[in-house]
Amino acid sequence: KAGVTQTPRYLIKTRGQQVTLSCSPISGHRSVSWYQQTPGQGLQFLFEYFSETQRNKGNFPGRFSGRQFSNSRSEMNVSTLELGDSALYLCASSLAGWTGTTNTGELFFGEGSRLTVL
Amino acid sequence: AQTVTQSQPEMSVQEAETVTLSCTYDTSESDYYLFWYKQPPSRQMILVIRQEAYKQQNATENRFSVNFQKAAKSFSLKISDSQLGDAAMYFCAYRTYGGSQGNLIFGKGTKLSVKP
Repeated sequence: KAGVTQTPRYLIKTRGQQVTLSCSPISGHRSVSWYQQTPGQGLQFLFEYFSETQRNKGNFPGRFSGRQFSNSRSEMNVSTLELGDSALYLCASSLAGWTGTTNTGELFFGEGSRLTVL
Repeated sequence: AQTVTQSQPEMSVQEAETVTLSCTYDTSESDYYLFWYKQPPSRQMILVIRQEAYKQQNATENRFSVNFQKAAKSFSLKISDSQLGDAAMYFCAYRTYGGSQGNLIFGKGTKLSVKP
């Protein structure tokens, strides 16, 4: 069973540009979450999508956006890039978008997309 | 707002020895989940162990076990018989019970080195 696939793995952009990152979840997983990982701030939740709907959003500016397609694949976009956006962007998928009484769920992470903004 | 604190930025252990990684959290909720994730260098993060707050029994997964102290809001990870492959960043994480599955609150992580 294929894992979570993120593309591209590495990319370099300049300030003011925009970038689109892609995430293909594990087959059958309907929830996709995105995280930003930096040495200073650690792992911070960006947003979560379930059945093409954004279920939850972290505390990031509107320059960060995302979407999910009918096949559960997700993309995130960062516009007007700033130096501080340099980070490892992690995507994680899970079976369901909401926990139940016994469904603790498990997040399966991709290897990440490392973005460098010059 | 919930917070997760890992007070040990780096730890080191000798191969075959035991090491304990610390994690404390702050929440006003009574039901929640706690997790330990492992992130090896340049590889994807994987779940090591999870604990439901309503369960008093500490979770165990092979060489990995937790010491969950709900009143103290403490959730430490013990790794027994440490192996070279255990070297990684370890993240403690919290999630609200019944909430969005994808929204985890992570600690800053502990970098574990294993000496041969």
